[in-house]
Amino acid sequence: DTAVSQTPKYLVTQMGNDKSIKCEQNLGHDTMYWYKQDSKKFLKIMFSYNNKELIINETVPNRFSPKSPDKAHLNLHINSLELGDSAVYFCASSRHGGGPGELFFGEGSRLTVL
Amino acid sequence: DQQVKQNSPSLSVQEGRISILNCDYTNSMFDYFLWYKKYPAEGPTFLISISSIKDKNEDGRFTVFLNKSAKHLSLHIVPSQPGDSAVYFCAANSGAGGTSYGKLTFGQGTILTVHP
Repeated sequence: DTAVSQTPKYLVTQMGNDKSIKCEQNLGHDTMYWYKQDSKKFLKIMFSYNNKELIINETVPNRFSPKSPDKAHLNLHINSLELGDSAVYFCASSRHGGGPGELFFGEGSRLTVL
Repeated sequence: DQQVKQNSPSLSVQEGRISILNCDYTNSMFDYFLWYKKYPAEGPTFLISISSIKDKNEDGRFTVFLNKSAKHLSLHIVPSQPGDSAVYFCAANSGAGGTSYGKLTFGQGTILTVHP
């Protein structure tokens, strides 16, 4: 069983469209994250939720809206997609009491905006 | 402004030899450092970490060294194995706990290739 799973793994879409990426973790963790890996390969945090509550919100355009229906799910919705949104988006989770920064990542969702 | 840098995009090593991956940081507020390993088409997986109160942490074939005065850390893999071939990311965290718990600043990664 995959611990942190993301769907879809690949997404190709046109500029201006709205798309969502879903993430689910079966590890029983309280905290979930979205990271973005840009073209220069840097992984940068976007959002973090703890028990459905938003706790980290980096400088991200408000076209990006995370939603956490429960602590096992964290979805990412992107409105009015732009070319610069093309990237690999990684979902991750962490457990309370674990070492700082010890995250469990999903396989990533590669978004290509044409 | 990249606060964590891995200046070597790639490293090639012979099986059985030592691999040394380097990482530099600029933010003196960082107090916890981690290495992640990533295979193609997979997410990063946690490898080893070190707190700023230590200068060395060892786990089997993997050892991380921290030089706070130089703001430099390194990952040593010995002996290197072909299965170690992957991208290695250095990451840093400030505030061990609280809301910044999972807020990592990553380097851009170093591709390690271990030849049989």
